[in-house]
Amino acid sequence: GAVVSQHPSWVICKSGTSVKIECRSLDFQATTMFWYRQFPKQSLMLMATSNEGSKATYEQGVEKDKFLINHASLTLSTLTVTSAHPEDSSFYICSARLRDQETQYFGPGTRLLVL
Amino acid sequence: QKEVEQDPGPLSVPEGAIVSLNCTYSNSAFQYFMWYRQYSRKGPELLMYTYSSGNKEDGRFTAQVDKSSKYISLFIRDSQPSDSATYLCAMSEFFDSGAGSYQLTFGKGTKLSVIP
Repeated sequence: GAVVSQHPSWVICKSGTSVKIECRSLDFQATTMFWYRQFPKQSLMLMATSNEGSKATYEQGVEKDKFLINHASLTLSTLTVTSAHPEDSSFYICSARLRDQETQYFGPGTRLLVL
Repeated sequence: QKEVEQDPGPLSVPEGAIVSLNCTYSNSAFQYFMWYRQYSRKGPELLMYTYSSGNKEDGRFTAQVDKSSKYISLFIRDSQPSDSATYLCAMSEFFDSGAGSYQLTFGKGTKLSVIP
């Protein structure tokens, strides 16, 4: 159990377009989902924490108008990179957590390449 | 069977002990192996990154990969209370040095407590 999926796994887009990444908990209800980005050989940087039914909490330095997060249900959170630019190219990973539990279950990640 | 198995613990050891953390995997195509350390309410910090079978050492940390047994380990020598965290293994079939990680599969994480 406790599987988290992400879609798409790979996306290439033109500069200025918006890209939506989905994060789903397949066999459990995730009250909290986290979004991270990772640059090559670096640690995962927490971007935001989203709780079902409420607004996401963004980390310092992360533009909430650029990285739109919607946690519409207990099994789905989406991250939309608006007006993407080449510097947004990165590896985006989500994780999900059950209510009152500490363990985070990580998705496989989505690689975004903005041309 | 999950692709990556990792005992969630918790694991408690006295300060100064050698800690051994392990993951097993089933996908023989995995080639890149990573260990992350995650403190409570923080993002996972990349500790070690290995490509081939064998050992890689960095300070008090040694990562070991045995592809024939599909088994990876992280050893922490002279453990300190500040090492108390959750340790996650992750692995991938692919890596592009220009673009970074791709399609990581994570273990569940092992919660480690080092008691002073």
